[in-house]
Amino acid sequence: KQEVTQIPAALSVPEGENLVLNCSFTDSAIYNLQWFRQDPGKGLTSLLLIQSSQREQTSGRLNASLDKSSGRSTLYIAASQPGDSATYLCAVRGASGSRLTFGEGTQLTVNP
Amino acid sequence: EAQVTQNPRYLITVTGKKLTVTCSQNMNHEYMSWYRQDPGLGLRQIYYSMNVEVTDKGDVPEGYKVSRKEKRNFPLILESPSPNQTSLYFCASSSPGYTQYFGPGTRLTVL
Repeated sequence: KQEVTQIPAALSVPEGENLVLNCSFTDSAIYNLQWFRQDPGKGLTSLLLIQSSQREQTSGRLNASLDKSSGRSTLYIAASQPGDSATYLCAVRGASGSRLTFGEGTQLTVNP
Repeated sequence: EAQVTQNPRYLITVTGKKLTVTCSQNMNHEYMSWYRQDPGLGLRQIYYSMNVEVTDKGDVPEGYKVSRKEKRNFPLILESPSPNQTSLYFCASSSPGYTQYFGPGTRLTVL
């Protein structure tokens, strides 16, 4: 059974810092990996999707990498802003393409 | 606008009273799923559907039913709700292998 772990559980940084969020998964037979953002009481917004054949994806200040063989992904946020404050979730889709397993998330606070 | 809609957004009910939470998407997606989110347990998949009339259990299907009679709709049915089903529920849809889109969530309280 796939297990997804995110470290750290919470992170507080001053505005402007570059930061890295970590995601690890136990079964490397994945279809893809997706990073989401969730604001309090709201739904999930997709940030980046990395297919199993890809190594990284970039969108603006965000860069996500995938090392399938070691079961790891990182989300890099450059020049953090208070508006980046949210919970960031990593989700892995199994090789069959149907099941999506989530980590518990990293709660990020960016202080002005 | 491409979106996943859920209704109701908030619901308070009593134990044993059947309820249905509707989910609809306008993106012609094949895949649809239901999740529940609980503090300390994260998001867990309840049921998923890979196309019309094709559904399968996720990680926590007990106490829930689903149906997929039309491509755009994927209702979640609680035949006899219990307090342990108090949770935040999300519906999601995607095309195979592509970005998953989530609805805004339904906060359910079962007394």
